[in-house]
Amino acid sequence: EDKVVQSPLSLVVHEGDTVTLNCSYEVTNFRSLLWYKQEKKAPTFLFMLTSSGIEKKSGRLSSILDKKELFSILNITATQTGDSAVYLCALSRGSNYKLTFGKGTLLTVNP
Amino acid sequence: GAVVSQHPSRVICKSGTSVKIECRSLDFQATTMFWYRQFPKQSLMLMATSNEGSKATYEQGVEKDKFLINHASLTLSTLTVTSAHPEDSSFYICSAREQGALTNYGYTFGSGTRLTVV
Repeated sequence: EDKVVQSPLSLVVHEGDTVTLNCSYEVTNFRSLLWYKQEKKAPTFLFMLTSSGIEKKSGRLSSILDKKELFSILNITATQTGDSAVYLCALSRGSNYKLTFGKGTLLTVNP
Repeated sequence: GAVVSQHPSRVICKSGTSVKIECRSLDFQATTMFWYRQFPKQSLMLMATSNEGSKATYEQGVEKDKFLINHASLTLSTLTVTSAHPEDSSFYICSAREQGALTNYGYTFGSGTRLTVV
C-alpha cells in the first residue's frame, strides 16, 4: 500500500526561525513529489521534484528529494507569520498521475 | 495561468437531499479530473478519478452510487452527493489535469466546496 508520511504533524515557531519539514514515502510507479501550501481553501503549488539531489528554490523556500532514501524536505528560512499554513506533501504516481497526499504539517509562526 | 472554477463554494442542505458540485476548467482542457474530500484537520483523500467521456474510477471505500461523477466534456466535471447525510459534511476539492501541461506541472485545483448537511 502506498504511504506518504509527513513529520512533524505540527510545529510552532517564532518569526525569523528556520524550519525543516519532512516527507517520507513508499509508493509504486513513482513519477514526482509535490509540495503544497494550504491555508483556508485549496492547496497552492510550491514545488515539484522528480530528480534526486537537485534543490528547488523559491525565495525563502527550498526543497530537495532523495530517491534512494525515499524522502524529501521542505525548508523555510526567516519565517514570517504569513507562512502559517498546512504544508502538504503529495506523490504523483501511475499512468493516471494520481496524487496521494500525506497528512500535512501544520506550521504556526508567531510574531 | 490555468484556472479551475469550482461552484458552489459553500452549500448547506437538508439531510436526504442531493447536492451537485461543478468544476470547470476555464482556459484548458481537463483530460483528467480528480475529486478529493477533506475532513477537518485531515489531509486530502482521493475519492475518484475521471477521464473525459468514460466512467469514473473510485477509490476503495467510496460508494459510487452515492457520489456520482460526470465528466461529459473536457471543461466540465460534476460531483453529485446523493441523499446527503450529516456524515457527508466535508470540504470537497477538484483537481484538473491537462495532458502535457506545464503550469503547476499539470495539476490545477478548484477553490473547494464546503458542504454542510443538516
